[in-house]
Amino acid sequence: SSELTQDPAVSVALGQTVRITCQGDSLRSYFASWYQQKPGQAPLLVIYNKDNRASGIPDRFSGSGSGTTASLTITGTQAEDEADYYCSSRDTSGDHGVFGGGTKLTVL
Amino acid sequence: QVQLVESGGGVVQPGRSLRLSCAASGFTFSAFGMHWVRQAPGKGLEWLAVVSYDGTVKFDADSVRGRFTISRDNSKNTLDLQMDSLRPEDTAVYYCAKDSGLRWLKFYLEYWGQGTLVTVSS
Repeated sequence: SSELTQDPAVSVALGQTVRITCQGDSLRSYFASWYQQKPGQAPLLVIYNKDNRASGIPDRFSGSGSGTTASLTITGTQAEDEADYYCSSRDTSGDHGVFGGGTKLTVL
Repeated sequence: QVQLVESGGGVVQPGRSLRLSCAASGFTFSAFGMHWVRQAPGKGLEWLAVVSYDGTVKFDADSVRGRFTISRDNSKNTLDLQMDSLRPEDTAVYYCAKDSGLRWLKFYLEYWGQGTLVTVSS
């Protein structure tokens, strides 16, 4: 198995750009996906296959990555973007899923 | 539209069993892999298990191997999670989720149910 590491918390001023990162060995072999979760709600797929936006996701969300790092960038952050964000991929075996610990995004 | 509705959660004593179900609609269930993911109170997401579109391939997390079993019934469009030997640390909201890959596991969870709460307590 493998782990994905995220910063526990990040803050951003309204309208500014924020990058949330995810690190893990499995990202050398498998692309990341990103999920947004607001309190009391189920997770929502935001980015898949490293840099593809899921259906209905605003274009201010983008994904990137290289080597052992994947990133989620929000450009022009809105108040409604305040949420927990989780990265995910397969583990190094390819047979299991794995989630990062999550990043709590606060919009100031 | 895609709908995933979990059921079967509740309060159960340590060491007992519980079976969760997920009813799927709005897509060709038999063509997509399905996952179970859980979230303990105030904690992050934990991937638990996946089953391929035809039920022939299954993988599960180390934390539940030998205790939890994923299965599906494509004739009924349902996904199940049999949970045995439950422990207090299994207390969580359990989500089912649809894989994005058509007849191929991609591990991108594009639709999620609203979850069902399992509480393991004496």
